[in-house]
Amino acid sequence: DAKTTQPPSMDCAEGRAANLPCNHSTISGNEYVYWYRQIHSQGPQYIIHGLKNNETNEMASLIITEDRKSSTLILPHATLRDTAVYYCIVRVNQAGTALIFGKGTTLSVSS
Amino acid sequence: NAGVTQTPKFQVLKTGQSMTLQCAQDMNHNSMYWYRQDPGMGLRLIYYSASEGTTDKGEVPNGYNVSRLNKREFSLRLESAAPSQTSVYFCASEGLLRDEQYFGPGTRLTVT
Repeated sequence: DAKTTQPPSMDCAEGRAANLPCNHSTISGNEYVYWYRQIHSQGPQYIIHGLKNNETNEMASLIITEDRKSSTLILPHATLRDTAVYYCIVRVNQAGTALIFGKGTTLSVSS
Repeated sequence: NAGVTQTPKFQVLKTGQSMTLQCAQDMNHNSMYWYRQDPGMGLRLIYYSASEGTTDKGEVPNGYNVSRLNKREFSLRLESAAPSQTSVYFCASEGLLRDEQYFGPGTRLTVT
């Protein structure tokens, strides 16, 4: 079973920020939080990851609560091309460790 | 750089036939993975190779074999295909920093 809980679907207006929540209350101290997305039936695409500090890159920001039991992925200005399934994954940063995908959140961005 | 490539893109097999799915990466990555994705589901790990010369079972290895031919290539073989193996198969690779897995475009397999 996936170690994360995400809402099954969310809607967002184009140009607005999309805030995708994730609960990972059983996360271990050495587990990172990763976010991937999958557009249509393409291969998953890495977005961002973090251990305990907030992270930002050119695609998104990741906010992790102080107790690390939940996190939020923020797409600051959602576009139609951001419509996808978003997966929140916790994983030990170790070679050969699989990404355990749950069902993710389907984000629908509309104009 | 092509990244991660997979062949074929589509395949239809009859029950009992065998085939090999090919995967190659040009990023000099040590680790490679095979996942399957069934409709409406997340990806599940079949096999992985943490480095050249090593392979290990993942969550759903039954009915599959793998070969890490060299650092670039990691193949997945179905010896006797079954309808339950109808799925989309994704190959992925990962570098030493282990910060990002790069996925191929997938192989869509139907077993009738």
